[in-house]
Amino acid sequence: GAVVSQHPSWVICKSGTSVKIECRSLDFQATTMFWYRQFPKQSLMLMATSNEGSKATYEQGVEKDKFLINHASLTLSTLTVTSAHPEDSSFYICSARQGARKQFFGPGTRLTVL
Amino acid sequence: KQEVTQIPAALSVPEGENLVLNCSFTDSAIYNLQWFRQDPGKGLTSLLLIQSSQREQTSGRLNASLDKSSGRSTLYIAASQPGDSATYLCAAYTGGGADGLTFGKGTHLIIQP
Repeated sequence: GAVVSQHPSWVICKSGTSVKIECRSLDFQATTMFWYRQFPKQSLMLMATSNEGSKATYEQGVEKDKFLINHASLTLSTLTVTSAHPEDSSFYICSARQGARKQFFGPGTRLTVL
Repeated sequence: KQEVTQIPAALSVPEGENLVLNCSFTDSAIYNLQWFRQDPGKGLTSLLLIQSSQREQTSGRLNASLDKSSGRSTLYIAASQPGDSATYLCAAYTGGGADGLTFGKGTHLIIQP
């Protein structure tokens, strides 16, 4: 099946710094990529949807100026958590979809903000 | 807005038992429904995807059914093994273009050796 990678797999940062997470579709072109967030013992919650070459669509309650999403190519989307705070500590998972096909998920990135 | 509920939240059974995990969704106009497995601290592994026109899908010891009219799906695991221990998530895709999946909170499954 299709492979989606994320980098880094985990990151620890100080409060107030910015962190960039990459999501790559390794063997297919992803017209749409999704970013999810998962807090401990909770389900995945969709944060935003990004289509290649256009602005991301954010879910209600997700600050677009805090979670910057760039989908500059058909194989790469990045999520930048700006001015991170401890409450942003979470597990961030991306997924990629080619056309109308099912989504393929990355392995996730564990973010810990001290 | 689509809501997905999974019951039970946790389940512990002896090895070898057959078991059923339940998933319900509020908006029956789904495009497909997918079952995932998540190991602690890991990403998602897709197990089965059922298109809206299908009633069930099978893969090895796993069988997933879909009843759109009642807003329900079940994941049946036959002859459970300790390696099946994980959290199982179901997710509904309602389509409409660029929408993501709506996930349930999952069922945390423990198979006792």
